Amino acid sequence: NAGVTQTPKFRVLKTGQSMTLLCAQDMNHEYMYWYRQDPGMGLRLIHYSVGEGTTAKGEVPDGYNVSRLKKQNFLLGLESAAPSQTSVYFCASSDRAANTEAFFGQGTRLTVV
Amino acid sequence: GNSVTQMEGPVTLSEEAFLTINCTYTATGYPSLFWYVQYPGEGLQLLLKATKADDKGSNKGFEATYRKETTSFHLEKGSVQVSDSAVYFCASSGAGSYQLTFGKGTKLSVIP
Repeated sequence: NAGVTQTPKFRVLKTGQSMTLLCAQDMNHEYMYWYRQDPGMGLRLIHYSVGEGTTAKGEVPDGYNVSRLKKQNFLLGLESAAPSQTSVYFCASSDRAANTEAFFGQGTRLTVV
Repeated sequence: GNSVTQMEGPVTLSEEAFLTINCTYTATGYPSLFWYVQYPGEGLQLLLKATKADDKGSNKGFEATYRKETTSFHLEKGSVQVSDSAVYFCASSGAGSYQLTFGKGTKLSVIP
């Protein structure tokens, strides 16, 4: 039972490079989320999706794009990486029902130099 | 909008000490409340939750009670162990909403 799987686990980028983070869940969850975690800031929502083919902005969406072409996958893209995007990124998913828990991936540690 | 405030860390306790981590929230309506735990190098995992006022969530010796009158959801454990060392996050979901709002996290270190 894999749950939520993120790839890659670590990545170093140069400023201006692009990359895509992949999140896959096998729990048939409707909702998926991308968060970033920074020291002293907790978790902040970047983008989220309430179903296949739909995405929406969260608290800190600038510099990121997302796509949900398949229900089980949620991709986070950085078109032109900046040092301010150095962070740990977490994907999560949850069921449609309100008040249910979110399940998190193991995280991707991204460093932009 | 919703917000969650939890006590600043880090918190260092000796093994078998009593733990309290304070958490208060602001929200419209009646949110569900959660405590998540993050062990070193891992993602967050649900520790406990409460979905309505006066509910008590409990798991692994940890407890938290949903207090509507004080808008609080403090985490407690009577006797901590070294294995409890982790970062603890309080979170709320808006009424009828699936989005979580997190506190900034409290790092707990338990020393033998």
